Amino acid sequence: QSVLTQPASVSGSPGQSITVSCTGTSSDIGGYNFVSWYQQHPGKAPKLIMFDVSTRPSGVSDRFSGSKSGKTASLTISGLQAEDEADYYCASYTSTSALRVFGGGTKVTVL
Amino acid sequence: QVQLQQSGAEVGRPGASVKVSCKASGYSFTGYYMHWVRQAPGQGLEWMGIMNPRGGSATFAQKFEGRVTFTRDTSTSTVYMEISNLKSEDTAVYYCAREGATGWLRPAYYYDFWGQGTLVVASS
Repeated sequence: QSVLTQPASVSGSPGQSITVSCTGTSSDIGGYNFVSWYQQHPGKAPKLIMFDVSTRPSGVSDRFSGSKSGKTASLTISGLQAEDEADYYCASYTSTSALRVFGGGTKVTVL
Repeated sequence: QVQLQQSGAEVGRPGASVKVSCKASGYSFTGYYMHWVRQAPGQGLEWMGIMNPRGGSATFAQKFEGRVTFTRDTSTSTVYMEISNLKSEDTAVYYCAREGATGWLRPAYYYDFWGQGTLVVASS
């Protein structure tokens, strides 16, 4: 069981916007702005698409945006495209002995 | 450009040990922490631990304490992950992942580069 809670799946039609949530505790998401998001296509390594809650690495589409409220972080994909179909994972620093935690992952399906 | 090149797939019998390598290139090896993350078939990502490539110290997730070791060779910019007493539930793809930095060995709390992954199969 993952420390951070994500919905198992989210779907949307091309052009729509979807949001993936990631809920933690005061020891991780609620206490620090060190939330990151990763996109993983089948058979591939994860790819960083967001860090420090809402900062996009160079080269990542501005259709991806991040936010946080309390103990829940969110990743929004606007103008959904077929290539966005993938698994998405959130991660955070934690002040517990675990040091780093991941969410269980969300499968995004483009209908 | 930054690259993390991992060794090939491994098969190990239950109870045996398996060692995976991750060769870094394109950056100053001792300036960035390295993590290991694994992913069981059809499952999510699981953080295993972090290594300081300069001094060689490591911290592990509690479930891996005593069964996983991280080592490094600074002359070849390579980190190693060895898991002992292999169990069937250790069957997974193992990734090395570099942690971004805000300065020399100052962690940024995200993984900016990943290896391609190494499949480890525990099977008799």
